[in-house]
Amino acid sequence: GQQVMQIPQYQHVQEGEDFTTYCNSSTTLSNIQWYKQRPGGHPVFLIQLVKSGEVKKQKRLTFQFGEAKKNSSLHITATQTTDVGTYFCAGPSGTSYGKLTFGQGTILTVHP
Amino acid sequence: DAGVIQSPRHEVTEMGQEVTLRCKPISGHDYLFWYRQTMMRGLELLIYFNNNVPIDDSGMPEDRFSAKMPNASFSTLKIQPSEPRDSAVYFCASSRDRGFDEQFFGPGTRLTVL
Repeated sequence: GQQVMQIPQYQHVQEGEDFTTYCNSSTTLSNIQWYKQRPGGHPVFLIQLVKSGEVKKQKRLTFQFGEAKKNSSLHITATQTTDVGTYFCAGPSGTSYGKLTFGQGTILTVHP
Repeated sequence: DAGVIQSPRHEVTEMGQEVTLRCKPISGHDYLFWYRQTMMRGLELLIYFNNNVPIDDSGMPEDRFSAKMPNASFSTLKIQPSEPRDSAVYFCASSRDRGFDEQFFGPGTRLTVL
């Protein structure tokens, strides 16, 4: 079945450093979503990418969707302690309409 | 809107007991999802409903787990009998019927089975 892989699993950065997490799918995706989960919290939707090669920005966060629509990345510029949490990518399962397959997530720790 | 509501927020029970988790999705959302999250296995989809009908229950671990959605505003996930390995955070999420729309997660139920 479809697999969505994320790397790295963990990332520790000093406040002010940049951070990037990568997402790779075993199949072509119609779209990809990104979620953030704060420690002790629940996943919260950040953004959805649909078009091949699409780039979207939210303040210090930059999201990219690969040309082949099989990979995506999230880049945070100048991390802050508020960026701490787990970042998940998710894509349609391909087998069941409406179902998302989540990656394992990247746990980001920011040291002040 | 109050968002997705889950109860209880925390549940501690003993092995062998029945556990019922409850979820109220956002009004107007046609999809409801039950997830389980553990450190070892990450975020796993257990089952999801569309318009109150179960669509895919392939993630339900075994017969001890069952889920129902008697109406558009309420769903339950039941574990009977519970086992220590069921300890996890269980999330309910809902989304609109617009094809792969964003999912809104509830605050989760942290279940501990002793």
